[in-house]
Amino acid sequence: ETGVTQTPRHLVMGMTNKKSLKCEQHLGHNAMYWYKQSAKKPLELMFVYSLEERVENNSVPSRFSPECPNSSHLFLHLHTLQPEDSALYLCASSQLDSNTEAFFGQGTRLTVV
Amino acid sequence: AQSVTQLGSHVSVSEGALVLLRCNYSSSVPPYLFWYVQYPNQGLQLLLKYTTGATLVKGINGFEAEFKKSETSFHLTKPSAHMSDAAEYFCAVRGNTGFQKLVFGTGTRLLVSP
Repeated sequence: ETGVTQTPRHLVMGMTNKKSLKCEQHLGHNAMYWYKQSAKKPLELMFVYSLEERVENNSVPSRFSPECPNSSHLFLHLHTLQPEDSALYLCASSQLDSNTEAFFGQGTRLTVV
Repeated sequence: AQSVTQLGSHVSVSEGALVLLRCNYSSSVPPYLFWYVQYPNQGLQLLLKYTTGATLVKGINGFEAEFKKSETSFHLTKPSAHMSDAAEYFCAVRGNTGFQKLVFGTGTRLLVSP
């Protein structure tokens, strides 16, 4: 248990579906992140939220829509995805302006069919 | 800006042998350095970190790493590999000031044979 909880752990969705990934952190951190991990590709930082404001969006397609309603929760809304979006999606949190590490959730394994 | 290079996408060792996973970094400010481990279909778990102070840092599961500023390296070692060490290992760097994002290397898969 890392203090960062992601649900669901596994998700299969069709290309026309709409689904959401959820991340919750219980560590009192002030920054949260979404990463995409595809087979044989480096870990890709998608979005960063700092104090509930999006501070980074790394050219992610609009079919991925993040939401950070408060400092403990982060969502990734998915719609009209493509098969190449199948990947492990990892959420992380950290405390800015400190020397502590980022803490990761267990990830959501997404398969788009 | 920061970047990380991990040499070797795969490293194979025999059980009981020395483990050495290489990491070189670049950073425009003094770095914080991290090693994470990932088991299949799991998130990343911190093995160890260097922030300030002693350059040889010890982590969980018998791993350690040495920060060498002159070589811009942070190699991960373990004297004797265990079958349970088979996993993917990621080196990461961030700057030590303000909001600095964590930059990961491409990862090294460690294979341990009996």
